[in-house]
Amino acid sequence: DIVMTQSPDSLAVSLGERATINCKSSQSLLYSSNNKNYLGWYQQKPGQPPKVLIYWASTRESGVPDRFSGSGSGTDFTLTISSLQAEDVAVYYCQQYYDPPRTFGQGTKLEIK
Amino acid sequence: QAQLRQWGAGLLKPSETLSLTCAVYGGSFSGYYWGWIRQPPGKGLEWIGEINHGGSTNYNTSLKSRVTILIDTSKNQFSLILTSVTAADTAVYYCARGWGRAIWGQGTMVTVSS
Repeated sequence: DIVMTQSPDSLAVSLGERATINCKSSQSLLYSSNNKNYLGWYQQKPGQPPKVLIYWASTRESGVPDRFSGSGSGTDFTLTISSLQAEDVAVYYCQQYYDPPRTFGQGTKLEIK
Repeated sequence: QAQLRQWGAGLLKPSETLSLTCAVYGGSFSGYYWGWIRQPPGKGLEWIGEINHGGSTNYNTSLKSRVTILIDTSKNQFSLILTSVTAADTAVYYCARGWGRAIWGQGTMVTVSS
């Protein structure tokens, strides 16, 4: 099974500042035939299902503010929020969909400092 | 845009069988994997398994002996069956279409308690 490890487990950032969440996979998520990384990022707020932010490691889902961006390739990935807003307080998860089981990271709790 | 609506029993006793169904409204039913994920209270997301339109399945290694995912293409529905439940299976269960650009159901809280 591919193991997904996020860091940090929790993060406190001031409003307007940058937030960075990392995700590392135990094996490459880059599929050579199409040059795509099978990695997604989700945002989850209390009492709600996860919401897709980013797929293919760096493609922003329609309607997601452009302050959210994804980067990385292979085994190391990053979710960046360029200017933190109050509504961004949530838990963030990465997920690999390269191979079943399609494992998730343990989550990163983002709070306002 | 597809929507997923799920239902099933919310309270079970230990050793009973969990059964949840997810119905798909709108969008294509073929060409996707249809999956189940769960989230114990206050904890992270755990991938349970998936099925495709042709009935091919993949399961979480740790749950494989107790899990079955079925699909009914005539009704655009798929189901999760988890046998011999214990308190450790208490969680919100979500159904989902696809991965990456996934569409999720609203979630069903399932509590296992004697």
